[in-house]
Amino acid sequence: GENVEQHPSTLSVQEGDSAVIKCTYSDSASNYFPWYKQELGKGPQLIIDIRSNVGEKKDQRIAVTLNKTAKHFSLHITETQPEDSAVYFCAASIGAAGNKLTFGGGTRVLVKP
Amino acid sequence: GAVVSQHPSWVICKSGTSVKIECRSLDFQATTMFWYRQFPKQSLMLMATSNEGSKATYEQGVEKDKFLINHASLTLSTLTVTSAHPEDSSFYICSARVGFIGGQVYNEQFFGPGTRLTVL
Repeated sequence: GENVEQHPSTLSVQEGDSAVIKCTYSDSASNYFPWYKQELGKGPQLIIDIRSNVGEKKDQRIAVTLNKTAKHFSLHITETQPEDSAVYFCAASIGAAGNKLTFGGGTRVLVKP
Repeated sequence: GAVVSQHPSWVICKSGTSVKIECRSLDFQATTMFWYRQFPKQSLMLMATSNEGSKATYEQGVEKDKFLINHASLTLSTLTVTSAHPEDSSFYICSARVGFIGGQVYNEQFFGPGTRLTVL
C-alpha cells in the first residue's frame, strides 16, 4: 500500500520567516495530495491541496509543489505568523482506491514571535 | 460550507460499556465517510471507510465487531465502540467526502472536530 514520509517532525521558525515541509510517497498511482493543519484538540483542517496534473498551487501565503517523477511534494508557508503554529499533515490518495488518505507522520511547527 | 460535526466532543465511560459517536455533514451530502483514530502526538490512522447504505470497509487490524459503523443517510455516520476498554481511549475523528457532483469528482475530505474517548 501507499506509504507517506514527512520531514521534519518539528520545525521552529522566527515570525516572518518561511517554513517548508516535505513529503514523499511510494505509490506512483497517487493523484491527490492534500495538506491539513491541526490545532491542539481539534480535527484537521484542509488548507491546500494539489492534483497530479498540476505542478504548483498557491493560496496567499501558502503554496504546494509536486514533483511526480521524484514522488515528492512540499508545503511552503511564507511570512509566518504565530497563528501558523500547529501540526501539519500531508496526505496522498489514489482516486481509484476509494480516495482513502494515507497520512504522513506530521510536522509540529512553532512560530516564535 | 463543507462543515462536519461530531457528537459528543468528549466522553468518559466505564470499562465494558459501549459508546456511540455521531458524525454529520451539515451542509453537503457525503457519499463516503471515514473514521480515524489518533493517539497523542501521532498521525491519523484510518479505521474504516463507510459508504451510505452499504457495509463499512475496515482496515487491516481493526475489529469490525468492536467498532460498529453505520452510515444510514448521506449526512450521518455513527461509530459505536462496543465493550470499551482503557486501550480504546483515543481521539476519534471522522471525515466526509462529497464524491460526485454533476459527473465531477471531488476528492476533498472535510474533517470533524474529533471526539476524545476516555475509558476508565
